[in-house]
Amino acid sequence: DTEVTQTPKHLVMGMTNKKSLKCEQHMGHRAMYWYKQKAKKPPELMFVYSYEKLSINESVPSRFSPECPNSSLLNLHLHALQPEDSALYLCASSQGRGAGTDTQYFGPGTRLTVL
Amino acid sequence: AQSVTQLDSQVPVFEEAPVELRCNYSSSVSVYLFWYVQYPNQGLQLLLKYLSGSTLVKGINGFEAEFNKSQTSFHLRKPSVHISDTAEYFCAVSDPFGTGGSQGNLIFGKGTKLSVKP
Repeated sequence: DTEVTQTPKHLVMGMTNKKSLKCEQHMGHRAMYWYKQKAKKPPELMFVYSYEKLSINESVPSRFSPECPNSSLLNLHLHALQPEDSALYLCASSQGRGAGTDTQYFGPGTRLTVL
Repeated sequence: AQSVTQLDSQVPVFEEAPVELRCNYSSSVSVYLFWYVQYPNQGLQLLLKYLSGSTLVKGINGFEAEFNKSQTSFHLRKPSVHISDTAEYFCAVSDPFGTGGSQGNLIFGKGTKLSVKP
């Protein structure tokens, strides 16, 4: 099973709402990633968790708050977002060997619209 | 710092024609190279990757790529495309010696939109 699942597929929220994106994998991977992808652009790395510890935060605003409850789950908590945060949010996972050879497996993404 | 340049933002091609999507990278150290495909409204899927060894790499769906160290290129090719190959293609590089926990993080090119016409 090489599947990464993400819920919900679509999310519309107001600027005062609090919502969460969820990601799950059962491949035994120990690295998990959040990316943001705007239309017609490549994915931009937001956060990396390695062995359930946050290892990289690419200067993401605090209105995005990641959480890794266990090795299979990754959440992204959203609060007080801006319309410019509307994008496709992709989750990915990899074995986590950290040597650069790992394949990252991507989920289908959550299409977020902030009104 | 590493970077990836995809020379063509869009490549239109007729069905059953050959195609080449170009990718050049900039790095002072050894790197690992990847091609990912993104179909409309989907996540990214690995097509192939170069880690070491043979410079000709074969991937899924009939794609292949050739690593050329002297030209710092990793161009993607398919001898005969199908309508179903219409998608966005991303070349990416990872740095095995990155600092600050960045080992293995992917640096993506801007993408090439392949449009296959009947």
